[in-house]
Amino acid sequence: DAGVTQSPTHLIKTRGQQVTLRCSPKSGHDTVSWYQQALGQGPQFIFQYYEEEERQRGNFPDRFSGHQFPNYSSELNVNALLLGDSALYLCASSLIPGGAHNEQFFGPGTRLTVL
Amino acid sequence: AQKVTQAQTEISVVEKEDVTLDCVYETRDTTYYLFWYKQPPSGELVFLIRRNSFDEQNEISGRYSWNFQKSTSSFNFTITASQVVDSAVYFCALSGAPGDDKIIFGKGTRLHILP
Repeated sequence: DAGVTQSPTHLIKTRGQQVTLRCSPKSGHDTVSWYQQALGQGPQFIFQYYEEEERQRGNFPDRFSGHQFPNYSSELNVNALLLGDSALYLCASSLIPGGAHNEQFFGPGTRLTVL
Repeated sequence: AQKVTQAQTEISVVEKEDVTLDCVYETRDTTYYLFWYKQPPSGELVFLIRRNSFDEQNEISGRYSWNFQKSTSSFNFTITASQVVDSAVYFCALSGAPGDDKIIFGKGTRLHILP
C-alpha cells in the first residue's frame, strides 16, 4: 500500500521564478493538505483540497495556489518566489475532511531552495 | 486563537534515561484533537498519537506514554528507557473541531539521545 508520495525531492529556484510541487495521496485517500516548514520551525498549514476545490486555507498570500485532479493527486504552485519561500513543503492526505478520524498521513516533503 | 507551545527547544539525554517533552496548548474550541509527531532526519512526519478533548485518559504504547491534563492545557510525552533511534524532532500539534482540518504545530523539540 503506497503511502503519500511527493515530487521532486529537492528543487532549486531563483527569486521571481514560479514552481510546481506534486503530491499523490495515500491509496484510498481523497483529501490533500499542504504545509510549509521553514528551517527550525513547525509545519504551517497552507491549504486543503477536497473534491477538486480548495476547502480551507491558512494565512498564505495568493502567490500560493493549488489544484487537485480527479485522481485526488494535487499540485502546489508558488509564483514570484521570494527567498523566504525556502522551506520543506509537506503534503498530507486523509480520507474524509473534517471527520472525527481525520488522521493525516504525511509525505517525505519537497525541499525548495530559493536563491 | 489556537496555539501550541513547546518550551524545550533542544534536549540531550544519555541512552536509557527517561525523558519528558512538554506541550502546552491554547484553544477556544470545546472539541479538539491533540497530536504528537516524530520527524527523523529524513524529514517525513511520523504520526505517534491522537487524542480528542473528551478523552483525558493517559496512554501508554511500549516505551512511549502521554499525559493529557485539560486543567493545565498540557499534553506531555514521555519516552522511557530512551534509545539512540529516538533521536529526532518531536512536534506537538492541535486541530480544531470537526470541519477544521488544519493542524497547528508547535515549533518542535529536538531530542538527542547520546550513546
